[in-house]
Amino acid sequence: QSALTQPPSASGSPGQSVTISCTGTSWYHVSWYQQHPGKAPKLMIYDVSNRPSGVSDRFSGSKSGNTASLTISGLQAEDEADYYCTSYGGSNSVAFGGGTKLTVL
Amino acid sequence: EVQLVESGGTLVQPGGSLRLSCVGSGFSLSNHAMHWVRQAPGKGLEYVSAVSADGGSTYYANSVEGRFTISRDNSKNTLWLQMGSLRPEDMGVYYCARVNSNKYDYWGQGTLVTVSS
Repeated sequence: QSALTQPPSASGSPGQSVTISCTGTSWYHVSWYQQHPGKAPKLMIYDVSNRPSGVSDRFSGSKSGNTASLTISGLQAEDEADYYCTSYGGSNSVAFGGGTKLTVL
Repeated sequence: EVQLVESGGTLVQPGGSLRLSCVGSGFSLSNHAMHWVRQAPGKGLEYVSAVSADGGSTYYANSVEGRFTISRDNSKNTLWLQMGSLRPEDMGVYYCARVNSNKYDYWGQGTLVTVSS
């Protein structure tokens, strides 16, 4: 699968909601990862809309057609990071989005 | 606690070779496929290579096919990436990641590979 398409940047003020899109997700297993500068990625959403234990319920995911979305509600300063979507179709079929830099204004 | 610790990254000349290691703890590596994912400076994440849980199947991105070799020793809970014919575009942070039900649930902290003369 070709690389997935994400907007390069997104922003919002504290308390607001922001949605990041990811186009080109042919497979069901869509995940979202948060990466702070100099840190490893962290799983935030898997299988389109499931949250791992310990991830805030302010993070939610959805999918319509071949576009997946990550929504962060009640924005907080700590949410400022890069976000990557991944579509997983097997060990030889993994596609990453180009990443979206989220700025909390 | 699940942990993945990479090592082996360093400065290497173009055309050179390098072997990266990833040691897992807090879980049995034998139960999971493992992947290498890299990130060039200031760029996004890129899939590099994968190996099945038993080591019997390996996969590579087109950009590294024929130059990199992934392997594992489940008895040592260790994953490797042998990198050869290195190019400047191979430079970046290399992460090992555990696969669990079609997602990367744990990542190592990364090891930096610099390719420069």
